[in-house]
Formats: sequence, C-alpha cells, structure tokens
Amino acid sequence: QKEVEQNSGPLSVPEGAIASLNCTYSDRGSQSFFWYRQYSGKSPELIMFIYSNGDKEDGRFTAQLNKASQYVSLLIRDSQPSDSATYLCAVNHSGGGADGLTFGKGTHLIIQP
Amino acid sequence: DTAVSQTPKYLVTQMGNDKSIKCEQNLGHDTMYWYKQDSKKFLKIMFSYNNKELIINETVPNRFSPKSPDKAHLNLHINSLELGDSAVYFCASSQWLAGDLGTDTQYFGPGTRLTVL
Repeated sequence: QKEVEQNSGPLSVPEGAIASLNCTYSDRGSQSFFWYRQYSGKSPELIMFIYSNGDKEDGRFTAQLNKASQYVSLLIRDSQPSDSATYLCAVNHSGGGADGLTFGKGTHLIIQP
Repeated sequence: DTAVSQTPKYLVTQMGNDKSIKCEQNLGHDTMYWYKQDSKKFLKIMFSYNNKELIINETVPNRFSPKSPDKAHLNLHINSLELGDSAVYFCASSQWLAGDLGTDTQYFGPGTRLTVL
C-alpha cells in the first residue's frame, strides 16, 4: 500500500512568520513530488513540484526533498492571511506516464493576522 | 480560457439514478484523470486515460464507467447511484514527456459536487 502521510492540523502560524508543512511517503521508489493548495470549495492548485534531493525555491515557497528519509516539506516565508488553505502533498510513484497521484489527507493551515 | 472544465458544477439526484459528468481540457494534454474527494477531503485517483486508452482503474465499483471520445474529453458515467457516491469529483490532465520529470504535473478542473439523496 503506497501511502502519503501529513499532519491534518490545523497548523496556526502568525502573519509574517514561516509556515512549515511536512509530508512522508512509504514508497521508496517514488519519483516526483507535488504540493497543491486547496481553498475551501475550490480545486487543488499546483504550488510546486520537486524531484531532486535538496531545496527548490519559488518566491515565498521552498520545497525540500529528502529521498533517504522519504520526506518532503514546504516552507512558506512571510506568511499572509491569503495563504490560509489546505495544503496537499502528492506523490507520483513511477515518475510519469498516466499514473495517478497519491495524495496525503492535507494540512489545514491558518495564518493569524 | 479555462484549461480544464467540468459540467455540471453541482449535481443533486436520487438514489438509483444514472448520471454523467463531463470533462474537457484545452491544454493539448494526452492524459486525463478522474479523482474523488470524499467528505473528509481525501483525494483519491479513480481512473486515468492516455490517448483515449484506459491506463488506471483503481478499485472503483463497476457502476462507474469512464469514456474518452477523444484525448481532450473524459466523461464519467455513474449507474445506480448510492448515498456513498456523494463527493466532489475532479477531472485532471497532464502531458508527460518521457525522461522529463516534472512534466507529469496534473492540472485540475473546478470539480463537480455530487449529492445523492
């Protein structure tokens, strides 16, 4: 069973601080990793993808991947109230083709003004 | 222009009815998917199609039948609807290029909220 685990939260972070979201996955052969943001009643929206060990930065977002530890994280710097949403970690186990993504159950992030 | 669109946005129906949800993407992608998001917000793959061919069929009741008339469209037909089918159904698409990790990024439609009474 290929699983993706996230702390469901809620994770409460003051405005302007760094929000740190974590995700672990069970399939050691997993190839690519995604962070999606989902506002209530809306569809998942891609924030970042990462497939190499290390850090990948895009604006206020940094994704971190450690394949040895089977761990993916997302850091949000200078958190804004508009960042309040559910963050979904997703894993593609084979790295392509027509494989579906395995999602975690999401972390509910609340940014306190 | 909407990249991945679904109709209808809301669907309320009685148990035992048959209903369809339509999905279209204008991204030129070869692969399309159906996901189900339950009341606990858990998003799970149901089907995937690549160039009109079924690739993935997860453990979904055979009351659910996907159909892909062409690679830009993937419809979902559900027979004999049950209470447990109530969920949000998302269509997604991707264009995977062999050897190019990251191109398997999936883009989601707005979702169809199905309520079975």
